[in-house]
Amino acid sequence: DADVTQTPRNRITKTGKRIMLECSQTKGHDRMYWYRQDPGLGLRLIYYSFDVKDINKGEISDGYSVSRQAQAKFSLSLESAIPNQTALYFCATRASSNSPLHFGNGTRLTVT
Amino acid sequence: ELKVEQNPLFLSMQEGKNYTIYCNYSTTSDRLYWYRQDPGKSLESLFVLLSNGAVKQEGRLMASLDTKARLSTLHITAAVHDLSATYFCAVDTHQGAQKLVFGQGTRLTINP
Repeated sequence: DADVTQTPRNRITKTGKRIMLECSQTKGHDRMYWYRQDPGLGLRLIYYSFDVKDINKGEISDGYSVSRQAQAKFSLSLESAIPNQTALYFCATRASSNSPLHFGNGTRLTVT
Repeated sequence: ELKVEQNPLFLSMQEGKNYTIYCNYSTTSDRLYWYRQDPGKSLESLFVLLSNGAVKQEGRLMASLDTKARLSTLHITAAVHDLSATYFCAVDTHQGAQKLVFGQGTRLTINP
């Protein structure tokens, strides 16, 4: 079983719809992250959380919100989806500030 | 604001040849990470570099970090087809919230 699980793996939605991407982990890490990947742009940070009560905006948080329901769960919501939010979304966890990120398998989102 | 730039962005090479991918970053940091991504897959951690002069090697790949030059290199020795992938470097912000900023990625294609 994957240590970091993202659901759904693929999602097609229409402009204006609200959607939620979910992430759960069994690694026991406090730090969780949401990144977005677009071709040629690398990965850009949307939101990150160091514990249930500590949630922070990343470089591209506009149009997104998050919820840290428990240490193991970190959800990303698009309040009103738009086509330029079409991308590959990754959730990641991290053990400490000297550790690498551990990524989920990604959610491919298409907004039509 | 930390910026991370990789070059080249695309690299096509023959099996058996050597080549280097460069990762430059704009502000002070002594923590740098290299990842590999296969098409349609997630990112896999390759190397963690945590100090000036750090060198790590795994098989045909070797990574190094020069914090004074704000430069990391990923050297490929005697390339084989299985190393074809996209490689990302990521740099940890030095102060405040510790989060990783990614380069754009280098798509490496190794031809027989």
